[in-house]
Amino acid sequence: AQKVTQAQTEISVVEKEDVTLDCVYETRDTTYYLFWYKQPPSGELVFLIRRNSFDEQNEISGRYSWNFQKSTSSFNFTITASQVVDSAVYFCALIPGSNYKLTFGKGTLLTVNP
Amino acid sequence: KAGVTQTPRYLIKTRGQQVTLSCSPISGHRSVSWYQQTPGQGLQFLFEYFSETQRNKGNFPGRFSGRQFSNSRSEMNVSTLELGDSALYLCASSLVGFGTGNHEQYFGPGTRLTVT
Repeated sequence: AQKVTQAQTEISVVEKEDVTLDCVYETRDTTYYLFWYKQPPSGELVFLIRRNSFDEQNEISGRYSWNFQKSTSSFNFTITASQVVDSAVYFCALIPGSNYKLTFGKGTLLTVNP
Repeated sequence: KAGVTQTPRYLIKTRGQQVTLSCSPISGHRSVSWYQQTPGQGLQFLFEYFSETQRNKGNFPGRFSGRQFSNSRSEMNVSTLELGDSALYLCASSLVGFGTGNHEQYFGPGTRLTVT
């Protein structure tokens, strides 16, 4: 069975600080897919990024960056120069290659204060 | 392109009743998944349908069921409602199945079910 752990339950930062959200995953599959989703107070889950297990290239998209390391089974997410609008719950999730069940972590509540 | 839509957005039911929730996926998406979100258990996978067939099922009792129609629209049904079924029910659609890497799921706004 697969498992996703987000050890940080809540993080509070001041605007313009950089913040990293941690994600550690477990799966027996050699092929798998990792995701980050954002859930603002409105409740709708917003897809941010997908990373395939066979592609360890890290990615930067604007103020967002992701660090995927298979050696430590981690898929961390960094927001640079955080803004109040970044305040949301962020979920890390995993789909193993052998089925289509998306397993979520418990989420990290990020609060960015002005 | 329109996103995933779910109806109704809010629902209040009494214990013992049954409820049907509806989900319309993004046009062209053939996979629809359902999730339950509660403060205690977080986001939990219910089931996934692809081309009208249930491909995967989570660990929920038989009171939870679903189906998918030929136009990819999906419904989820919960019978004999219990207080613990109060939750946000989220539907997600995805373009294709295995092997393509296109596994990202796009979520609807959810249906907030309250059981009293």
